[in-house]
Amino acid sequence: QVQLQESGPGLVKPSGTLSLTCAVSGGSISSSNWWSWIRQPPGKGLEWIGEIYHSGSTNYNPSLKSRVTISVDKSKNQFSLKLSSVTAADTAVYYCAREWIQLWFDPWGQGTLVTVSS
Amino acid sequence: DIQMTQSPSSVSASVGDRVTITCRASQGISSWLAWYQQKPGKAPKLLIYAASSLQSGVPSRFSGSGSGTDFTLTISSLQPEDFATYYCQQANSFPHTFGGGTKVEIK
Repeated sequence: QVQLQESGPGLVKPSGTLSLTCAVSGGSISSSNWWSWIRQPPGKGLEWIGEIYHSGSTNYNPSLKSRVTISVDKSKNQFSLKLSSVTAADTAVYYCAREWIQLWFDPWGQGTLVTVSS
Repeated sequence: DIQMTQSPSSVSASVGDRVTITCRASQGISSWLAWYQQKPGKAPKLLIYAASSLQSGVPSRFSGSGSGTDFTLTISSLQPEDFATYYCQQANSFPHTFGGGTKVEIK
């Protein structure tokens, strides 16, 4: 079955850019699914960041849109997140997930904690 | 954005109890609602989609109901592995939004 794995630096300096990659295995990123990033600050709830289709089409959360870029690399079967001008408020566990019918998130990656600190 | 409000924020229950969690949307979302279970240090897991459809592999003690603005997740007989935090999520419109979570704790 499809599995997702996030990777990237666990520490980013304030005002820097957070960059993460989600590797998809057990299935093709070019299937009829959207692929999303979701984050969860420590001890808090879930926030959807944005999504991408293998064609490169994207949708972003308006609250983050000015700072977010999601891209896809079909040759590597992976997609990526860049979040610019980060502050401590961007400290969170970042999850990637497959969007089933562009509605529901299943499955999810295990998540990766990114801390914004100098 | 559509706001999702869950209640209660936490509930204490015993094994075998029936547990009900409520999720209210700030505007009508038809049946475009999902429920997730999250255990400490783990990613959320999809339990229910389209308000009442059970995801494959999820025990039948979990059920969902509702439409429009009011939704319910019910665990008919709480098992030890069910102690976790539960989130609702609306998929009616962008951006996708989640409820604040309900923590089910051991009584």
